[in-house]
Amino acid sequence: DAEITQSPRHKITETGRQVTLACHQTWNHNNMFWYRQDLGHGLRLIHYSYGVQDTNKGEVSDGYSVSRSNTEDLPLTLESAASSQTSVYFCASSDPKTGRAEAFFGQGTRLTVV
Amino acid sequence: GDSVTQMEGPVTLSEEAFLTINCTYTATGYPSLFWYVQYPGEGLQLLLKATKADDKGSNKGFEATYRKETTSFHLEKGSVQVSDSAVYFCALSDQGNAGKSTFGDGTTLTVKP
Repeated sequence: DAEITQSPRHKITETGRQVTLACHQTWNHNNMFWYRQDLGHGLRLIHYSYGVQDTNKGEVSDGYSVSRSNTEDLPLTLESAASSQTSVYFCASSDPKTGRAEAFFGQGTRLTVV
Repeated sequence: GDSVTQMEGPVTLSEEAFLTINCTYTATGYPSLFWYVQYPGEGLQLLLKATKADDKGSNKGFEATYRKETTSFHLEKGSVQVSDSAVYFCALSDQGNAGKSTFGDGTTLTVKP
């Protein structure tokens, strides 16, 4: 079955370190998204991509970057981790060409910055 | 910009009680509306959706109707079960921007036997 997988599921890192969270989808979807989930804030969009070599900033993009070199993967990089980036991160994908408007989510990565 | 306002939680109900979780939205144009559910330790799953005014989305006994006149998409279920305990998110996305969504803050539902 097609799916979207995130790794690692849990990560503890130190302040100032660079961290990369992986997201891989096998649906061949053009659209991919990164959200962070924090108590009282729901999900907030960090970055998104509508296809290979396309990336766009979301609502809370400061301190994060993404790159899209192929259809399947959209890694999220924290350039210099900060305690404010402790959160649960969700990757999602969608493809309007399928006629379905919803997003498909990964299981999430819980990141703790100490 | 777009926004979604959800009924604050947490909500605690007894099994077989009636559930309503209110959701209102602000958006330009004609967005698609969604309810996602998140079980503990998992990602979000689509529960139901509606893509135009007066559409009713339904799944697993849950229903929601796209009301353009009141900009609302309230979630209802006639008889909740313990297995419905989860966090519920209302969301919208612009037509043509599938997946790029604005979410409410989420409502935690606990159903007691």
